[in-house]
Amino acid sequence: GIQVEQSPPDLILQEGANSTLRCNFSDSVNNLQWFHQNPWGQLINLFYIPSGTKQNGRLSATTVATERYSLLYISSSQTTDSGVYFCAVHYSTGNQFYFGTGTSLTVIP
Amino acid sequence: DAGVIQSPRHEVTEMGQEVTLRCKPISGHNSLFWYRQTMMRGLELLIYFNNNVPIDDSGMPEDRFSAKMPNASFSTLKIQPSEPRDSAVYFCASTGQVWNEQFFGPGTRLTVL
Repeated sequence: GIQVEQSPPDLILQEGANSTLRCNFSDSVNNLQWFHQNPWGQLINLFYIPSGTKQNGRLSATTVATERYSLLYISSSQTTDSGVYFCAVHYSTGNQFYFGTGTSLTVIP
Repeated sequence: DAGVIQSPRHEVTEMGQEVTLRCKPISGHNSLFWYRQTMMRGLELLIYFNNNVPIDDSGMPEDRFSAKMPNASFSTLKIQPSEPRDSAVYFCASTGQVWNEQFFGPGTRLTVL
């Protein structure tokens, strides 16, 4: 079955717009990470956030573990934000990381 | 810290040849993971090591794939013989403790002709 769901699958934004990406998971987690895969294929760590809220510049993330979802907020988007955003989780009872299918973001000038 | 280092960055080979991918984890990290990324299947965990010991290799697609970690600073993923369907980007990642924050290397783009 599907372990991690991300939405939306695709997103096109005008530069300067804000967006919210969602990650749903199906059980309790002890690790949740958000990654940005840039157009060159590199996977860049954004947040390690099994619970709570964190902010880093224009990006912030919130994980509500009891309701089994996490949100990634991008404010004042820039063309360099383009790429694919992945959510990855480790379930408390599992022995691997599960990656979502990603949200493909395109920011146009 | 230099981060996770992978080599080569690109590999083009012919079907039937042996391919060896290399990874150096972040110094002090105890766990190392090998992933494969394709358009069709996304990111798949192939195998992971904890303290140089293979813990779970259930993601290794078949016997043509093997991985070793002879010491804390080096791991290899070998495909012998390679096939066109093995074409993918192979990532290595490491963590301080096994299920903590993962850090990925730049990946090796493998093309098997």
